[in-house]
Amino acid sequence: DVKVTQSSRYLVKRTGEKVFLECVQDMDHENMFWYRQDPGLGLRLIYFSYDVKMKEKGDIPEGYSVSREKKERFSLILESASTNQTSMYLCASSPILGRAYGYTFGSGTRLTVV
Amino acid sequence: KQEVTQIPAALSVPEGENLVLNCSFTDSAIYNLQWFRQDPGKGLTSLLLIQSSQREQTSGRLNASLDKSSGRSTLYIAASQPGDSATYLCAVRLDGDTGNQFYFGTGTSLTVIP
Repeated sequence: DVKVTQSSRYLVKRTGEKVFLECVQDMDHENMFWYRQDPGLGLRLIYFSYDVKMKEKGDIPEGYSVSREKKERFSLILESASTNQTSMYLCASSPILGRAYGYTFGSGTRLTVV
Repeated sequence: KQEVTQIPAALSVPEGENLVLNCSFTDSAIYNLQWFRQDPGKGLTSLLLIQSSQREQTSGRLNASLDKSSGRSTLYIAASQPGDSATYLCAVRLDGDTGNQFYFGTGTSLTVIP
């Protein structure tokens, strides 16, 4: 089974801290994605990457950056955490090609910024 | 941009009932469509994926259908059980989309009453 592992299930950080959320997948997928999920707003795409060192902005990139130095790892960085970044963060991966293949998600990280 | 709508937003049924969840999308040029289940506070679990050339997929008590021309997919759950209580999301990937991203609906929250 494809596994997407997010390093933390729960995080509590202080306003202004630099926060790193890590995501690792073990199936050699080209694509990796970071979403945030908030009640009433659904899933919103923050950033995605289709190759090592490549990144593309999603719908809500402001206040975030990403890093993909290795194919299996995609990191989301909150440069200076703010309370409005309190949310559930979900990482997903998928192969670039193949209509029979879709997303595989990690178990999520619930981030609280105080 | 693809808009994905799921109706109803919430559904409550007695145990044993058969039910249908609906998903509609605005752009019919899709690559594939994926149905997910999400339990409270958890990540998304893939249930079924339908390729653009397929009309339906089945897994156990679940059956997903796809009608591209009308921009609709349905998820049929037979003989519902309390353990089926969760939020169900559909997601659509567009054909020719170099971003390779899926567009999500906001989900249907299902409660199965024992």
